[in-house]
Amino acid sequence: GAVVSQHPSWVICKSGTSVKIECRSLDFQATTMFWYRQFPKQSLMLMATSNEGSKATYEQGVEKDKFLINHASLTLSTLTVTSAHPEDSSFYICSASRDGDYNEQFFGPGTRLTVL
Amino acid sequence: QQPVQSPQAVILREGEDAVINCSSSKALYSVHWYRQKHGEAPVFLMILLKGGEQKGHDKISASFNEKKQQSSLYLTASQLSYSGTYFCGTVLGSSNTGKLIFGQGTTLQVKP
Repeated sequence: GAVVSQHPSWVICKSGTSVKIECRSLDFQATTMFWYRQFPKQSLMLMATSNEGSKATYEQGVEKDKFLINHASLTLSTLTVTSAHPEDSSFYICSASRDGDYNEQFFGPGTRLTVL
Repeated sequence: QQPVQSPQAVILREGEDAVINCSSSKALYSVHWYRQKHGEAPVFLMILLKGGEQKGHDKISASFNEKKQQSSLYLTASQLSYSGTYFCGTVLGSSNTGKLIFGQGTTLQVKP
């Protein structure tokens, strides 16, 4: 159990376009989902925390108007990179947490975004 | 706030042991350990809560020293499949916010 999927696995887009990434918890309800960005050979950097039905909480330095997060249901969160630029190219990973004493996070397989 | 991991990199032969450390300058609620292989998502290994509770896989062990705000991951009798980058993620403070701050990672290479 505790499987998280992401779609698409990779995407290549032109500068100025918007890209939507979906994160789904397949076999559990995720009250909280997290979005991370990871540059090559670096650590995972938390971008934002989203709770179902409420606005996402963004980390310092993350532009909320550029990275739109929607957590429409207990199994789906989406990240939209608006007006993407080459510097937004990165590996975007979501994780989902289910209620419980441990609140462990289960990670999706990631989406590699390349902006030309 | 980012925890510091040591060492940065380790090279082992199959069957050898390794210890990876994670140290924080802030009080911790919990420490989570993950292994990531290149181009893949992190895989959950272990979670340690303050107060002593733990949850993880059978072949993985770890410790959490709340007073020192440190955790160590113990890899024994290493196998080739253990190769990858190990990250500790910390939840700061006195309650479970769920927000993980990851260390910079420790690269482990196991050779035959």
